[in-house]
Amino acid sequence: DTGVSQDPRHKITKRGQNVTFRCDPISEHNRLYWYRQTLGQGPEFLTYFQNEAQLEKSRLLSDRFSAERPKGSFSTLEIQRTEQGDSAMYLCASSYTQGNTEAFFGQGTRLTVV
Amino acid sequence: AQKVTQAQTEISVVEKEDVTLDCVYETRDTTYYLFWYKQPPSGELVFLIRRNSFDEQNEISGRYSWNFQKSTSSFNFTITASQVVDSAVYFCALSEAEASGGSYIPTFGRGTSLIVHP
Repeated sequence: DTGVSQDPRHKITKRGQNVTFRCDPISEHNRLYWYRQTLGQGPEFLTYFQNEAQLEKSRLLSDRFSAERPKGSFSTLEIQRTEQGDSAMYLCASSYTQGNTEAFFGQGTRLTVV
Repeated sequence: AQKVTQAQTEISVVEKEDVTLDCVYETRDTTYYLFWYKQPPSGELVFLIRRNSFDEQNEISGRYSWNFQKSTSSFNFTITASQVVDSAVYFCALSEAEASGGSYIPTFGRGTSLIVHP
C-alpha cells in the first residue's frame, strides 16, 4: 500500500452541479478524515469515520455535503448544488484509532466551481 | 477548545541560514499530541513529527529539530542550514482527547510559508 489516494486530483464544475470525490485510505487504518483547505489557510476539519461509522461532523459540513464509508474502506464525499464558495482543496487522511498516531494525507482533490 | 497559532505567515531566507518556525497552542487537556507537517507545492501534506504532552524532550532529525515547551505552550521547529528544497508551507497541528470527546481530531494552524532562496 503506497498511501492515501484521492480521485480525481482536479475537478472543475459549474455552479449548481453535484460532485463526488473518492478517497482510498491506507488499508490498515480504521480512521478516515475529510478536511477542506482554502488558499492561505490550514486544513479545516469536515468529518471523520471510525471504520464505517461517521462519528463527528463539523459545522462547516452543510446539508449539501454528505460523506460515506460504506464498508469501512474507501470513502466518498459528495457536494450537491455546488456554490462558488465550495472551491477549495479537499483533503482526505487516514490513521490508526489510537490518539497517539499521526494522520497520513492524500494529495487532495482541487475543486473549482465556475 | 483547542487552537493552534502560527503567527509567521511567510519567512524568506537565503540558503544555509537557520530558520525557526513558531507554533503556539491552546488546550485545556492534559493529554494531547502535537504534530508538524510539510506541504510542498505539489500539495500533499507530509508528516514530519509527533510529540505527546508528557514528553518534553527535544528532538533532532538531521537538519530538523523541535523544541517543545509546555511552560510557554510552544512547539517550535528549526531547520538548520536551510536548502531550497525546504521551501514549502509548514503546518503545526494539535489533537486532544477530552475536549473532543476522545476523538483526537487534529486541528491545524494557518501555516507558515518558508521560501529559501539560492
